[in-house]
Amino acid sequence: GAVVSQHPSRVICKSGTSVKIECRSLDFQATTMFWYRQFPKQSLMLMATSNEGSKATYEQGVEKDKFLINHASLTLSTLTVTSAHPEDSSFYICSASRTGVGSSYNSPLHFGNGTRLTVT
Amino acid sequence: KQEVTQIPAALSVPEGENLVLNCSFTDSAIYNLQWFRQDPGKGLTSLLLIQSSQREQTSGRLNASLDKSSGRSTLYIAASQPGDSATYLCAASQGGSEKLVFGKGTKLTVNP
Repeated sequence: GAVVSQHPSRVICKSGTSVKIECRSLDFQATTMFWYRQFPKQSLMLMATSNEGSKATYEQGVEKDKFLINHASLTLSTLTVTSAHPEDSSFYICSASRTGVGSSYNSPLHFGNGTRLTVT
Repeated sequence: KQEVTQIPAALSVPEGENLVLNCSFTDSAIYNLQWFRQDPGKGLTSLLLIQSSQREQTSGRLNASLDKSSGRSTLYIAASQPGDSATYLCAASQGGSEKLVFGKGTKLTVNP
């Protein structure tokens, strides 16, 4: 159990367009989801924390108007990269925290398979 | 601010060897520490989670230890196999939250 599905796995878009990435928890409810970005040979960097029914919390240096996050239900969070530029090309990964399973601090986070974004 | 460092950055071993991957973190006020595996171009697979009150966790050929006072964790892999080849990531929770801070990983290659 505890599967997180991320879609699409790969996307190529032209500079200036917007791209939406979906993160779904398939067999559990997730009050909180996290969005990470990973550049080649670098560690995962947390971009934002997505909370169901409320505004996302962005990490320092991440533009909230550029990376729009919507967490409209307990099983779906979306990340929209607006007006994408080549420097936004990266690997984006989401993770979900299982709601109501003991202390969420001591439950492993479940990760999607990531989305490889290439902006040309 | 939590910082996580993993040593070595890359490791190549012959099949069957036992090995240790190292992780250090700067802020000992963690809720937990997690080890993940990442295959090329893929997401993360959770391997082991050690709660702050625990000293180690075991799963099959994997054993992870945690020493909060020294800010260190190790992942021990016994009898390594070519299928163990992947990047291993260590992540420590940032005090007071579920947020994870990741190291850059150790790229492991197990040669047949």
